[in-house]
Amino acid sequence: QLQLQESGPGLVKPSETLSLTCTVSGGSISSSSYYWGWIRQPPGKGLEWIGSIYYSGSTYYNPSLKSRVTISVDTSKNQFSLKLSSVTAADTAVYYCARRALGPFDPWGQGTLVTVSS
Amino acid sequence: EIVMTQSPATLSVSPGERATLSCRASQSVSSNLAWYQQKPGQAPRLLIYGASTRATGIPARFSGSGSGTEFTLTISSLQSEDFAVYYCQQYNNWPTTFGQGTRLEIK
Repeated sequence: QLQLQESGPGLVKPSETLSLTCTVSGGSISSSSYYWGWIRQPPGKGLEWIGSIYYSGSTYYNPSLKSRVTISVDTSKNQFSLKLSSVTAADTAVYYCARRALGPFDPWGQGTLVTVSS
Repeated sequence: EIVMTQSPATLSVSPGERATLSCRASQSVSSNLAWYQQKPGQAPRLLIYGASTRATGIPARFSGSGSGTEFTLTISSLQSEDFAVYYCQQYNNWPTTFGQGTRLEIK
């Protein structure tokens, strides 16, 4: 059974870079059938897609965040990572990683809350 | 960017009754629409994809319909575990976008 687990600091200072890693277990991140994505959810609000990556390293970002986002993959560790630069309080959210087939996201990691505060 | 609008924002229904949730796209997304269920403190769970195909392990009381710009999620006989927030997602156009959610609460 495929599982995803997010990890990283729960507190980031304004203007700094948020860094998270998603570890995939129970399956290979190098599967040609899937992309791997990041989605976030501010407290009490809806879902926003951040970006996705293919095992080859091809990336796709939400235009609203593109200038600040970098997603990378490490197939040897079965992990992919998110970096979001120049964060503000508006970036406070639960960050989820998920597998993406042709369209929908399934499954999802449990999510990790990242708070931007000094 | 395609805007997904869900209605109502909150729906109050009694256990055992039917719930009908709506999702509208600002332009056609064909049948490239998914529905998710999210309970407090949990990640979203995929219920429906392709507008009407149930994901693995999803009970038959959940059904999806629609195409183009109008979509519906129906829960035929509400169980206590179905009270949650439901989101739709379009993946026909890049970037993929989600609706703002419908909260299904116990009446």
